[in-house]
Amino acid sequence: SQQGEEDPQALSIQEGENATMNCSYKTSINNLQWYRQNSGRGLVHLILIRSNEREKHSGRLRVTLDTSKKSSSLLITASRAADTASYFCATDVNDMRFGAGTRLTVKP
Amino acid sequence: DTAVSQTPKYLVTQMGNDKSIKCEQNLGHDTMYWYKQDSKKFLKIMFSYNNKELIINETVPNRFSPKSPDKAHLNLHINSLELGDSAVYFCASGDRIGEQFFGPGTRLTVL
Repeated sequence: SQQGEEDPQALSIQEGENATMNCSYKTSINNLQWYRQNSGRGLVHLILIRSNEREKHSGRLRVTLDTSKKSSSLLITASRAADTASYFCATDVNDMRFGAGTRLTVKP
Repeated sequence: DTAVSQTPKYLVTQMGNDKSIKCEQNLGHDTMYWYKQDSKKFLKIMFSYNNKELIINETVPNRFSPKSPDKAHLNLHINSLELGDSAVYFCASGDRIGEQFFGPGTRLTVL
C-alpha cells in the first residue's frame, strides 16, 4: 500500500544547526503532510503541502515537494533541543499512510 | 477540552484475554482512525470509520473489531490477545485527506 518513506532514519545535530529530512512516495498524491511525534506521545500535525504547491513555510519549518521525483523534504532551521522528536511524512492516496519516521536528536 | 482522548493510557494483560480501548473526539470530525505503532516506531493504519461506517480494514486479524456507537466515539475491541499485539495504539480523527488529530496513545503490553 502507498506510504511515505522517510530518510534518514536517524539524524543527530547540534542546537542552532539546520536539519533536513526527506520523504519519498510511490504514486500520485493530492497532498503530503509532515507530523512530529515526541517520545511516548501522539503525532502532532506540522504542515500540509498540496500537490500543486512546491514550497511552504511555517515558522522555522520549510517543506518542499517535487512531484516529478515523488519526494518531499522538511527543513527545520535554527534547531532547538525541543525539536528532538520523530518526524513522519504521510501521503493521502485514498487515506493516510505513514512511513517509519526520522528520529531527530538536537544536542544542546 | 481535550480534542482526542483515549482510555486507558496503559494496559497490561495476559495472553488470551479480551480487552477494549476507548476513543472519543470532540472536534466534530466525520472520520476516526485506529493506528498501531510497533516497537520499531512504524505507524500503521488499522481501521478508519467515516460517519459510523468502516472504510478501511488493513488486513488486520479479525480478533480486532472496531465499534463506533456514534460519530464521536470509536472503540477498539481485541479478543484472544497475543504477544505480538503488544504495541502503542493511537486513535485519531480528521478529514479523510486533511490534518489528523491524534490521541495520546494506549500502550498495550501482553504478557
